Amino acid sequence: DSGVTQTPKHLITATGQRVTLRCSPRSGDLSVYWYQQSLDQGLQFLIQYYNGEERAKGNILERFSAQQFPDLHSELNLSSLELGDSALYFCASSVGYTYSGNTIYFGEGSWLTVV
Amino acid sequence: ELKVEQNPLFLSMQEGKNYTIYCNYSTTSDRLYWYRQDPGKSLESLFVLLSNGAVKQEGRLMASLDTKARLSTLHITAAVHDLSATYFCAVAYGGSQGNLIFGKGTKLSVKP
Repeated sequence: DSGVTQTPKHLITATGQRVTLRCSPRSGDLSVYWYQQSLDQGLQFLIQYYNGEERAKGNILERFSAQQFPDLHSELNLSSLELGDSALYFCASSVGYTYSGNTIYFGEGSWLTVV
Repeated sequence: ELKVEQNPLFLSMQEGKNYTIYCNYSTTSDRLYWYRQDPGKSLESLFVLLSNGAVKQEGRLMASLDTKARLSTLHITAAVHDLSATYFCAVAYGGSQGNLIFGKGTKLSVKP
């Protein structure tokens, strides 16, 4: 158990809908990251927050958004869902955001299936 | 754009044998991570390599980093079935360590 908690674990929804994925980082970790894992794209970095502020952005679609709250939990919002958004969404956390080489711990992931 | 290439992508080994997984990356970075993933599960951190020449070992796995060659290796010694999993290398890119660029993964199958 990495200490990173994600909910829900599984989610099935229809095209065009909106879902919210939730993440609680490890105790003491200020950085939260979101990654998407799919068979065709592999593991892709979406976005990073540090202590409530966006720090880095990757291949995140405009239909997706995220935020980190004062209690440091984070949410990833996916809207106007398409079949291709079906994937495993990971949240990860680490102590810092600087280029320090801290271990980045991954949660169990949220399986999203769009039908 | 940073590219991370792993090879091989599939590896079938017999128990007791040794093998090496290679991870090449295309731009300067001195932060390299190795993760293990079991099917449908999370990514488990194996090693964080922080400088040129870094070598870390845990059990039957040993990872090394050559930043000049932009190459990391994950060496498996005397493989056992429990090592069957997919292994990913990831390179930290840009000013934030969170922007990890992952390789496609090496699916390792260790057979008795």
